[in-house]
Amino acid sequence: DADVTQTPRNRITKTGKRIMLECSQTKGHDRMYWYRQDPGLGLRLIYYSFDVKDINKGEISDGYSVSRQAQAKFSLSLESAIPNQTALYFCATSDPTGNYNEQFFGPGTRLTVL
Amino acid sequence: GESVGLHLPTLSVQEGDNSIINCAYSNSASDYFIWYKQESGKGPQFIIDIRSNMDKRQGQRVTVLLNKTVKHLSLQIAATQPGDSAVYFCAERGRGSTLGRLYFGRGTQLTVWP
Repeated sequence: DADVTQTPRNRITKTGKRIMLECSQTKGHDRMYWYRQDPGLGLRLIYYSFDVKDINKGEISDGYSVSRQAQAKFSLSLESAIPNQTALYFCATSDPTGNYNEQFFGPGTRLTVL
Repeated sequence: GESVGLHLPTLSVQEGDNSIINCAYSNSASDYFIWYKQESGKGPQFIIDIRSNMDKRQGQRVTVLLNKTVKHLSLQIAATQPGDSAVYFCAERGRGSTLGRLYFGRGTQLTVWP
């Protein structure tokens, strides 16, 4: 079974729609992250959470919001989707008691905004 | 803020040859540098890291070299195999207020041909 799962895996939506991407993990890690990947731009951090009560903005948080419902769940929302939010989105986790530098990524959600 | 970049966007090597993937960084204050591998259709996966007070670190078939004088990081893969075909990202770890965050470069596509 996958340790970090993302739903949906693919989503096509229209401009102005509200979209939620969900991430669940069974690794028991406190830290969770949302990244966006665009061709040729690498991975950019949107939001991150070091525990259930902690939410922090990353490099590109405008237009996004997050919710940490539990240790195992971290959701990313696009309140009003726009075409330039078309991208591949990854959730990741890490364990600060283990290797600080190792993040465990989910399989990604491919989002297309028309 | 941190800035991590790559010298070449693509690299093609013959199976069995050694591969060298390069990365330049700008933030001398980073205390760790990390390499990730992303296979097609999957999330990135941790390969190896190196602390800033080290020059070289070896793993299984991989070696990371750090040259702080010219702010250069490289990943060497010995006896490259078809399964090594992937996008490779270098990353640096934030410090202080950004501790725990990773800053990724744009990636190099490694293609291994028989």
